[in-house]
This record gives sequence, C-alpha cells and structure tokens, in this order.
Amino acid sequence: DVKVTQSSRYLVKRTGEKVFLECVQDMDHENMFWYRQDPGLGLRLIYFSYDVKMKEKGDIPEGYSVSREKKERFSLILESASTNQTSMYLCASSFRQGASSPLHFGNGTRLTVT
Amino acid sequence: AQKITQTQPGMFVQEKEAVTLDCTYDTSDPSYGLFWYKQPSSGEMIFLIYQGSYDQQNATEGRYSLNFQKARKSANLVISASQLGDSAMYFCAMREMDTGNQFYFGTGTSLTVIP
Repeated sequence: DVKVTQSSRYLVKRTGEKVFLECVQDMDHENMFWYRQDPGLGLRLIYFSYDVKMKEKGDIPEGYSVSREKKERFSLILESASTNQTSMYLCASSFRQGASSPLHFGNGTRLTVT
Repeated sequence: AQKITQTQPGMFVQEKEAVTLDCTYDTSDPSYGLFWYKQPSSGEMIFLIYQGSYDQQNATEGRYSLNFQKARKSANLVISASQLGDSAMYFCAMREMDTGNQFYFGTGTSLTVIP
C-alpha cells in the first residue's frame, strides 16, 4: 500500500513564525502536491512538483514556498505565518504518467496560527 | 469555468438505503480519469473508485459504483446499503491526460447516514 506520511497531525504556531510542513511518500511517485482545505472551499492547490527540484505554482501560492530535494520528500514552507493560514494542509502524491493514477493522501496537518 | 461541480452540499440517507452523490465535469480532453474520495471526520482522504473516459462499463468497488454518463459529463457515485460509517465528506475529482499533473476537485458533499 502507498504510504504518504505528514510529519505533524496538529501544529500550533505564532504569527510571524517560519513553519515547515514535511511530507514523505514511499511509492516512488514522481508527482507530489500540497493542498489546503477550508470549509466550503474544498481543496485548493498550493504547489506541486513533478520531479526533484521542480515546482509549479498552484491556485494559491502566495505566502508559501516549497522544497523538493529528494524524490520522496516534499516540504511546504510558510515564510511568515499569518492567522489566515490557519487551515488543514494535505499532502498527496501520484505517478506522473496517465490519467488513471489516483492521488494518495497523507493524514493531513491541522495548522493553527495564533 | 469549474472543472468539477458537486451541487449537493449536504445529503441525508437512511441506513441500509442507497444514495447517489452527483458530480458533473467539464473537459475538452478526450482522455481523462474520474475519481471519488471519502473524507471522514478524522481528516484523511480515502480513494474509493476510478472511472476512465474510455471505459465502457461503469466502475464498481464493493458497495460503491460510479454511474458514468459521458454525453452528460456526469460521474455520480452510488453507495448501496448505506452504513453509519459512510457518514463523511465525499469529493469528486478529475485528471486530464493533457494536464496530467493536475487534479481538479469539487467542493464536496457531506453525507449523513441516519440510523
């Protein structure tokens, strides 16, 4: 079974802090994604990566950056956390080729910025 | 335009009854995949079922089936014999071959199973 592991289930940070959310997958997937989920807004794509050191902006990249130094690891960075970044963050991965490969998700990180 | 539309924010179903969750999609790519995910209150997203655009048969996985109507661009999820554990958010998603790295999600339907 594919395993996507997010480093923290719950996180509480202060405004202005630099926050790192880590995600590791064990299925040799090329693609990795970071989503943000808020009630009534569904899943919104922040960034995705289709290869090591490659990254593409999603729909809401402002205030975030990412790092992919190794194929299995994709990090989301909040440069200076703000209260409007309080949300559920979901990491996911998939194979690159073909429309049939599903996304596999981690358990999510509930981030609260105070 | 929205790629995936789920028009039912909330649904209720009696235990042991069947329920249909609606999903319509918009694409000009002839090759695409449609997915349904379940998200219980614990937060994890669970992959349920997949339908390919060229598949002739509707996909089935246990109590889940996908009612695929290509001409109408709809991909409704049918859950048969609902159980209390089916109470969750359900998301429809699409992946296009041309933009294969991106997945498009609907806003979800909250299903509550009543005992």
